[in-house]
Amino acid sequence: DAGITQSPRYKITETGRQVTLMCHQTWSHSYMFWYRQDLGHGLRLIYYSAAADITDKGEVPDGYVVSRSKTENFPLTLESATRSQTSVYFCASTAHLNEKLFFGSGTQLSVL
Amino acid sequence: RKEVEQDPGPFNVPEGATVAFNCTYSNSASQSFFWYRQDCRKEPKLLMSVYSSGNEDGRFTAQLNRASQYISLLIRDSKLSDSATYLCVVNTGGGNKLTFGTGTQLKVEL
Repeated sequence: DAGITQSPRYKITETGRQVTLMCHQTWSHSYMFWYRQDLGHGLRLIYYSAAADITDKGEVPDGYVVSRSKTENFPLTLESATRSQTSVYFCASTAHLNEKLFFGSGTQLSVL
Repeated sequence: RKEVEQDPGPFNVPEGATVAFNCTYSNSASQSFFWYRQDCRKEPKLLMSVYSSGNEDGRFTAQLNRASQYISLLIRDSKLSDSATYLCVVNTGGGNKLTFGTGTQLKVEL
């Protein structure tokens, strides 16, 4: 499913820096999601979007900002990275909530 | 209470065994339910959707119990290749969110 891509695959940054994780899908799916995965917590929803210019907070939104100016892009920004934001980040999209979620390959982020 | 909860396991079962996982959800208005499989923290992949009447796909059977607000996944004749983490997914919070459970780890052994 090469239609959804995340970049970068790996990122190392320092505490306090701003970092943007990119997510791009080619299907014009309405719904897009950002999850983070940490040991013992499974995938936790950070932000989601039902359409362009519509975004909502998920379970763990603090310290993150998203935008959705175009349907195909859903970037996630860490405004001032903290060590607790070290995680694997997954972006996903779907056309309808009762259909399959398509995932990007993930971004492994380390904040030193 | 978490919106979606699963027993984290691990479930260690011998090859050929039958194993079942449950996943409870808190929002009675939830309409969409899924089971995903994840290997070694790679991206999750859809195993099956869960329909109201229950559904089967080969060795896998999924069921929905709306009264008790849980979904289940039954795996028959377990294979070594079934070893993975199984994640339930439910739409929550007014319908536009898809929330994952923490996942149940399955290890199938010889």
